[in-house]
Amino acid sequence: DAKTTQPPSMDCAEGRAANLPCNHSTISGNEYVYWYRQIHSQGPQYIIHGLKNNETNEMASLIITEDRKSSTLILPHATLRDTAVYYCIVRVALYNFNKFYFGSGTKLNVKP
Amino acid sequence: KAGVTQTPRYLIKTRGQQVTLSCSPISGHRSVSWYQQTPGQGLQFLFEYFSETQRNKGNFPGRFSGRQFSNSRSEMNVSTLELGDSALYLCASSLGAGGTDTQYFGPGTRLTVL
Repeated sequence: DAKTTQPPSMDCAEGRAANLPCNHSTISGNEYVYWYRQIHSQGPQYIIHGLKNNETNEMASLIITEDRKSSTLILPHATLRDTAVYYCIVRVALYNFNKFYFGSGTKLNVKP
Repeated sequence: KAGVTQTPRYLIKTRGQQVTLSCSPISGHRSVSWYQQTPGQGLQFLFEYFSETQRNKGNFPGRFSGRQFSNSRSEMNVSTLELGDSALYLCASSLGAGGTDTQYFGPGTRLTVL
């Protein structure tokens, strides 16, 4: 699986949009981008995933650049409960290959 | 639908002992994966079970083993515990179809080795 690079930490004001970047310059054509978050010592929570088109769900939006070498997770209106470590993962989409490689993630601090 | 459950939530063992952790996947999910999380190494993949067979394996010593039962519940065993095995052990379940199968994590078991 391709490696990802994320900033170690970011701050965001409550109510504002949080934009979390991820670099995955070695991503290959059959690799998806996944985002999870982990709130202190709980199990990681799935947020969103995509291949090349932008995706949106009730939690967030995922913007993937045209060359697919980077992506941005957008939390449109961050709340204090969004404070967590956010992991960007690229994962090959093959039948019977089901393991995720987690990097160091970005610690998002949402401040009042 | 109930989420992934793990038991016990907390465990304290001493060096040299062995431990068994349990994971019950989401109903209908056939794949269970195990991960170890430590402050130094982060989240690392241990292994994945699908239909009672180990399908993928991470880079961990043979002291770490697992199994899956016909109802998809899984157990993970660590023998001859070392201090460095202290970690949060997470299991994740998915349908098992591979591809873009999404994994859903349980709350974890916090293992402390003294």
